[in-house]
Amino acid sequence: GDSVTQMEGPVTLSEEAFLTINCTYTATGYPSLFWYVQYPGEGLQLLLKATKADDKGSNKGFEATYRKETTSFHLEKGSVQVSDSAVYFCALRGGGSNYKLTFGKGTLLTVNP
Amino acid sequence: EPEVTQTPSHQVTQMGQEVILRCVPISNHLYFYWYRQILGQKVEFLVSFYNNEISEKSEIFDDQFSVERPDGSNFTLKIRSTKLEDSAMYFCASSSAGGPSETQYFGPGTRLLVL
Repeated sequence: GDSVTQMEGPVTLSEEAFLTINCTYTATGYPSLFWYVQYPGEGLQLLLKATKADDKGSNKGFEATYRKETTSFHLEKGSVQVSDSAVYFCALRGGGSNYKLTFGKGTLLTVNP
Repeated sequence: EPEVTQTPSHQVTQMGQEVILRCVPISNHLYFYWYRQILGQKVEFLVSFYNNEISEKSEIFDDQFSVERPDGSNFTLKIRSTKLEDSAMYFCASSSAGGPSETQYFGPGTRLLVL
């Protein structure tokens, strides 16, 4: 079945540092890939998505590129801020009639001033 | 901006009791979902619902669980006889369409504690 493997946290960075959170997946067919973010005390919010190979999703300075050859969708940001502190979830949604999102375990990011 | 809302935000119940978790999806959305996250574990899919019937469910979603859209706005998850292992954060989500590229919008969650 579908699965997502995500870099285990927690990750602690200083403000303005470069961020990478690794995500790899296993899926049949051509899944869509998502990054969700969960700020403290809130629900899951879509951060970005990519629906086909070589697509790049971007939002709020975050980027991720759908790499079919390496089955990866790594999240990057060039310069993190304290306000980026949150839990980040990589997820996929398979093609066909499969409605569900399959999530990774989540990575807690803490950015210190 | 429209959002998914969930009530209550927290619920404490005794083992064996029935609980109903409520969700109000985004108003023009047609597909509805429930997920749960046991503390420290992955967010897991429970069920999807479209056109007044279940379209997909996971092996977690056994006979103890049921979903309903009792009116034009609410979407509920009922757990008939709660177990200790049902303690988790339950998220409702909705989407406007069912395709694989469609974004699912999540509510803030209901934290359920079974004692």
